[in-house]
Amino acid sequence: AQTVTQSQPEMSVQEAETVTLSCTYDTSESDYYLFWYKQPPSRQMILVIRQEAYKQQNATENRFSVNFQKAAKSFSLKISDSQLGDAAMYFCACDDPYETSGSRLTFGEGTQLTVNP
Amino acid sequence: DGGITQSPKYLFRKEGQNVTLSCEQNLNHDAMYWYRQDPGQGLRLIYYSQIVNDFQKGDIAEGYSVSREKKESFPLTVTSAQKNPTAFYLCASRRRGLNTEAFFGQGTRLTVV
Repeated sequence: AQTVTQSQPEMSVQEAETVTLSCTYDTSESDYYLFWYKQPPSRQMILVIRQEAYKQQNATENRFSVNFQKAAKSFSLKISDSQLGDAAMYFCACDDPYETSGSRLTFGEGTQLTVNP
Repeated sequence: DGGITQSPKYLFRKEGQNVTLSCEQNLNHDAMYWYRQDPGQGLRLIYYSQIVNDFQKGDIAEGYSVSREKKESFPLTVTSAQKNPTAFYLCASRRRGLNTEAFFGQGTRLTVV
């Protein structure tokens, strides 16, 4: 089974600045999928961005981009031009869809992001 | 509107009682999941199901049970064997296949009194 580690329990950023959230994972598979989810104070989980491991190009969604380093098993999230609405808990997740018992989505511990005006 | 619904939003249980959390989805998703969220521990997988009448234990299944009699429904029972059940519980669903997005309910906050 895969494991996901987020080593930064809390991060803060000034509005309009850039921040990078770290994530490392471990899986025995060569093909898998990685995700970043956001949980605002409402506690509703929202997908931010996803990356397929066999694709070398880093995924980008507007102000959100990832730095995917497959050899290092690292999957960091960069938020550019931070906005007050970006304040939330961010979770990194790994999906190994080829497990015998079916796809299980494994999450990290989360990073609480504060955006300062 | 399509979505995933958890009920109730808040639940109080006396020690020694079993309690069932509801999760219903009308997204026609095959896969459903239950997670427990505690401060500093992220989301931990309790049980998951890929198909009706089949489910697998996650990382912290002890003290919990589930059923999947219908595609739309995946209820979670917190039994008296769960030593520390006070937590926030999230249900999710997704289409089978590769790289599919998981959709989450709004959660149930369970408190043992």
